[in-house]
Amino acid sequence: EVVLAQSPATLSLSPGERAILSCRASQSVGSYLAWYQQKPGQAPRLLIYDASNRASGIPARFSGSGSGTDFTLTISSLEPEDFAVYYCQQRSNWPFTFGPGTKVDIK
Amino acid sequence: DVQLVESGGGLVQPGGSLRLSCAASGLPFSTYDMYWVRQAPVKGLEYVSGITNNGGRTYYANSVKGRFSISRDNSKNTLYLQMGSLRTDDTAVYYCAKSSTGGPDYWGQGTLVTVSS
Repeated sequence: EVVLAQSPATLSLSPGERAILSCRASQSVGSYLAWYQQKPGQAPRLLIYDASNRASGIPARFSGSGSGTDFTLTISSLEPEDFAVYYCQQRSNWPFTFGPGTKVDIK
Repeated sequence: DVQLVESGGGLVQPGGSLRLSCAASGLPFSTYDMYWVRQAPVKGLEYVSGITNNGGRTYYANSVKGRFSISRDNSKNTLYLQMGSLRTDDTAVYYCAKSSTGGPDYWGQGTLVTVSS
């Protein structure tokens, strides 16, 4: 099973600041890495798929990069609605797995 | 609009059974692989099971293999998860999710399963 590690566990930032979230896989997942955003009481929302492709309707301030085992999600300028938990997820091998999440909260 | 609506959750005793359903609308259901993903209270996300668009292949997490069974009825646009030999650590919100090119892109609102005596 591919294990995903995310860092940091919590990121405390102010609106307008840049957020950089990391995800590291225990083995190569190629580019089969996605990022999801989840707010309390809601289902996850797909932001980025295949490492760097924005899903439909996702603002351009969200971008993804990386391949193999190291990936990054960047939010260029945080909006108030961006404070949430972010999960990376791989679909290279079954079982698909999620990372433990990074919480982006307001400083 | 794509809608996925789960039902069938509730309180069940350890060792008991439950069947979850996910009714899909607004999409050509039979063309998509589907998944069940769960989230234990204040915990992360875990893929439980998946099924190909025609039901020909199924996938299970090791934690549920032999206890859960996924199926679908494309004539009814409905996905199912039959859960048996339930344990307290199966307590979670269960989501159904539709596959897309890069991973599940539409999710239901979830249904809560509580396993407790």
